[in-house]
Amino acid sequence: GAGVSQSPSNKVTEKGKDVELRCDPISGHTALYWYRQSLGQGLEFLIYFQGNSAPDKSGLPSDRFSAERTGGSVSTLTIQRTQQEDSAVYLCASSLASYQETQYFGPGTRLLVL
Amino acid sequence: SQQGEEDPQALSIQEGENATMNCSYKTSINNLQWYRQNSGRGLVHLILIRSNEREKHSGRLRVTLDTSKKSSSLLITASRAADTASYFCATGEGGNLIFGKGTKLSVKP
Repeated sequence: GAGVSQSPSNKVTEKGKDVELRCDPISGHTALYWYRQSLGQGLEFLIYFQGNSAPDKSGLPSDRFSAERTGGSVSTLTIQRTQQEDSAVYLCASSLASYQETQYFGPGTRLLVL
Repeated sequence: SQQGEEDPQALSIQEGENATMNCSYKTSINNLQWYRQNSGRGLVHLILIRSNEREKHSGRLRVTLDTSKKSSSLLITASRAADTASYFCATGEGGNLIFGKGTKLSVKP
């Protein structure tokens, strides 16, 4: 594909609701990453998928966060029972192989929890 | 965990001047990458420098790496207003990249 795409671009939700964020990586990229960026801050790693291996979930902040990657391509990040502190930009990236290579980022989803 | 930390946090210069940003990290690395971010959205990869490299160029960008000091610098020469953005360094650990908080560069016309 032309690049990493994410949807929706913006999401406003009420506290306590569940949200799903979608990421379409570049075709052929085996590695996919989710990051979170709060206002004015750096990127916080959330989860990493590499091929068919078990994902590295070490960055997920709580059990309300989960992600899956179907068919080695599209990924969905789900946040259950959203809290106001979940408000942030959620960025997805993909790369040919592992973190050792260049990561290509999507435009992000800006989540606002009221 | 290791983390790249950029310095300064913010930098304001005039168009045409050079901009230098520094990054320090804590543990040994395989490579260090620099990214740019406009308007809080997706990051764009600028350059990757491997641990056995000391300097790398790409257009107006020059990156140096000093593994003995665990530091890297990004130099943008002849800056333009369009270079206004946040710049992040990132180091690899395990299966993911650790990003610093970034340097916010403002280039005034």
